[in-house]
Amino acid sequence: AQSVTQPDIHITVSEGASLELRCNYSYGATPYLFWYVQSPGQGLQLLLKYFSGDTLVQGIKGFEAEFKRSQSSFNLRKPSVHWSDAAEYFCAVGQTGTASKLTFGTGTRLQVTL
Amino acid sequence: DTAVSQTPKYLVTQMGNDKSIKCEQNLGHDTMYWYKQDSKKFLKIMFSYNNKELIINETVPNRFSPKSPDKAHLNLHINSLELGDSAVYFCASSPLGGGIGELFFGEGSRLTVL
Repeated sequence: AQSVTQPDIHITVSEGASLELRCNYSYGATPYLFWYVQSPGQGLQLLLKYFSGDTLVQGIKGFEAEFKRSQSSFNLRKPSVHWSDAAEYFCAVGQTGTASKLTFGTGTRLQVTL
Repeated sequence: DTAVSQTPKYLVTQMGNDKSIKCEQNLGHDTMYWYKQDSKKFLKIMFSYNNKELIINETVPNRFSPKSPDKAHLNLHINSLELGDSAVYFCASSPLGGGIGELFFGEGSRLTVL
């Protein structure tokens, strides 16, 4: 069965500092990987996704993520964090087939200090 | 125009009551989902419908009954509510039924059972 681990429950960074959120997955085949962001009281919004090809993917709001098969990781990065980036971030892995679905990690809460 | 809309946004009710949550998407997607987010922010899939047909049922108690009158609507009815049903319920839709596509989420319906 597929699974996703986000080792960091809560991260605090200063505005302007760089950010890396960790994600490790377990999946038997080639994974389909996603990062979503959830602002307070809101639904989830897709930041970026990896299906195949270039292992460094660019997303919205200046985020990027790198797929590393050897480490089963898909870490999210941003070079300079803005206060508006404070939110909950979820990594997810997709299962293909007749009943496709996403399995989410437990999320990382990002706090940004000014 | 809201792409995936859920009503109501908030529900407060007593144990033992029955309640429904409605979801509509205007994206033309074939696949719709219900996810449950618990108090620790963990997101877990409950159901998925592809063009009105149930394709995923993740061992959810029989008290939960989804209904999809057409591919743009997916409702969730919950009978005999229990304290443990308190959560945020998210509806989502996806353009790809058998493959992996981006999920578009509604803003969630927060259910509180007293």
